[in-house]
Amino acid sequence: AQRVTQPEKLLSVFKGAPVELKCNYSYSGSPELFWYVQYSRQRLQLLLRHISRESIKGFTADLNKGETSFHLKKPFAQEEDSAMYYCALKVLGYSTLTFGKGTMLLVSP
Amino acid sequence: DTGVSQDPRHKITKRGQNVTFRCDPISEHNRLYWYRQTLGQGPEFLTYFQNEAQLEKSRLLSDRFSAERPKGSFSTLEIQRTEQGDSAMYLCASSDLRTEQETQYFGPGTRLLVL
Repeated sequence: AQRVTQPEKLLSVFKGAPVELKCNYSYSGSPELFWYVQYSRQRLQLLLRHISRESIKGFTADLNKGETSFHLKKPFAQEEDSAMYYCALKVLGYSTLTFGKGTMLLVSP
Repeated sequence: DTGVSQDPRHKITKRGQNVTFRCDPISEHNRLYWYRQTLGQGPEFLTYFQNEAQLEKSRLLSDRFSAERPKGSFSTLEIQRTEQGDSAMYLCASSDLRTEQETQYFGPGTRLLVL
């Protein structure tokens, strides 16, 4: 069965510092990877997916199949980035998402 | 369209009681998912529908749980004989199979507390 691991429960940085939220997965096939974000008092929403290879709100994530990782990065964190971030995996041909436990990002002024 | 809606937003019940939650997906979305999220965990898949057909159920979904989507629009999730371990946030999501990327859009959730 597939699994998603987010090793950090909490990541605290200062505004303007670089951010990297780690995500590792275990799955023998070719998965589709996502990052979802939940801001305070808001619902879970999609931030980005690996197949789009796009930057959203300054965040990027590259799928590294060799290391089975999909780390989320941003060069300069902003206070409004403070939120809960979940990495998720979808097996090709299936619809359901497997989520990690999430990492809380706190950006201090 | 205001997105996926769920009702109620909060539910407190006593152990042994039955509860039912409702999810209204985004209009025209043909897929509807139920997830459960406990404290400190990410959402865990429970079941999903394509139109009115229930296509997959997780092993997490015990016999006390039943979900329906009778007309392919809204869905209900019923928990019979609730247990304290059922306390969690129940999330609903919907997606449109016809779109290339089939993004899942989540509702605000129903928080259940079993006393």
